Amino acid sequence: GAVVSQHPSRVICKSGTSVKIECRSLDFQATTMFWYRQFPKQSLMLMATSNEGSKATYEQGVEKDKFLINHASLTLSTLTVTSAHPEDSSFYICSARGLKTSTMNTEAFFGQGTRLTVV
Amino acid sequence: SQQGEEDPQALSIQEGENATMNCSYKTSINNLQWYRQNSGRGLVHLILIRSNEREKHSGRLRVTLDTSKKSSSLLITASRAADTASYFCAGMDTGRRALTFGSGTRLQVQP
Repeated sequence: GAVVSQHPSRVICKSGTSVKIECRSLDFQATTMFWYRQFPKQSLMLMATSNEGSKATYEQGVEKDKFLINHASLTLSTLTVTSAHPEDSSFYICSARGLKTSTMNTEAFFGQGTRLTVV
Repeated sequence: SQQGEEDPQALSIQEGENATMNCSYKTSINNLQWYRQNSGRGLVHLILIRSNEREKHSGRLRVTLDTSKKSSSLLITASRAADTASYFCAGMDTGRRALTFGSGTRLQVQP
């Protein structure tokens, strides 16, 4: 299957700083990437959908100015958590779809996730 | 997005027993997928069932889908301690291609 690499896997940052998370498709061109957030012992919630070269579409309740998404190339999308606070501590995970995986009935390919802890 | 419901929320069984998890969803879907997640780790894709399929098997896994009831079930037969994990169903919304995840079932298999 297709490979999606997410980096870093863990990050601890101080309150008020910004953190960038990268999501790369290693062996296919990702025309669409999805960002999810998962709080402890909860399910994954879709935050935003980004299409290469265009602005991301955010889910209701997700602040676009706080969670900046850039999908400037077909292999890389980044999520920047700006002015992070302890309540932003969570598990962030990306998923990618591309030209070869663009049919509806294929599995989604996920990165390994990033554990963000804001202290 | 509206999240699906899974039951039970937690399930504890003995090794060798079967585990059944149920999932209900709210939107129209193209397919439904099941994932496993070990504590604090990423997702492992288990199986995908299309909206025009009713049952699918993969190794020790059996998945059913009832689109009229908007529900699915995952059966793990002859469970092993290594099956201990959280299990999530996820429906692919028609037209949107994003996955909507269920609330998850935490499975504990006692050796």
